[in-house]
Amino acid sequence: EVQLVESGGGLVQPGGSLRLSCAVSGFTFSDHYMDWVRQAPGKGLEWVGRTRNKANSYTTEYAASVKGRFTISRDDSKNSLYLQMNSLKTDDTAVYYCVRENSRNSFDYWGQGTLVTVSS
Amino acid sequence: DIQMTQSPSSLSASVGDRVTITCRASQGITNYLAWFQQKPGKAPKSLIYAASSLQSGVPSKFSGSGSGTDFTLTISSLQPEDFATYYCQQYKSYPLTFGGGTKVEIK
Repeated sequence: EVQLVESGGGLVQPGGSLRLSCAVSGFTFSDHYMDWVRQAPGKGLEWVGRTRNKANSYTTEYAASVKGRFTISRDDSKNSLYLQMNSLKTDDTAVYYCVRENSRNSFDYWGQGTLVTVSS
Repeated sequence: DIQMTQSPSSLSASVGDRVTITCRASQGITNYLAWFQQKPGKAPKSLIYAASSLQSGVPSKFSGSGSGTDFTLTISSLQPEDFATYYCQQYKSYPLTFGGGTKVEIK
């Protein structure tokens, strides 16, 4: 069974940092591209960024709203995906989802999400 | 950026109704279009990719169609578990973008 479990969310002050983790199981993590998607309270879905797999040099892409502040990384040996968030703003308050891509580069499995609240 | 526009933003329907949701892209995306279902307080669930291909385990009452800029999601016979918000998403180019959502409510 495919499972994605996010952790690391919480309350942080504006300008602070936070690192989210996503532990995966039930599939060969190293084969897949992975993404982060967020959802502000009461709002729609917003793509945050993507990491490709080892075969594609672990290259990354980011939304303009987070580029230069957020960094996506992965550790295939630990079956884990990470999102390092720096210089956090109140607008970054959201539930953050870890998402797997299928072989057609479409999202197929989602984690349950972790809430990040940026507030003083 | 490619803008995704869903219509309607909400609809009321009865159990057994056939429901159609439309998604329009601001430029052509061939068939790089996905649909997701989200229930309150839950993570989204993937329904359809490549405009018309069902994700594994998704019932055949869901179907998708379209190509280029205009797409539809159809639920053939609405059941109580289908009341939710539905989102389309393009994955043709960066940034990946979602539609604003369509909330399907009980009439």
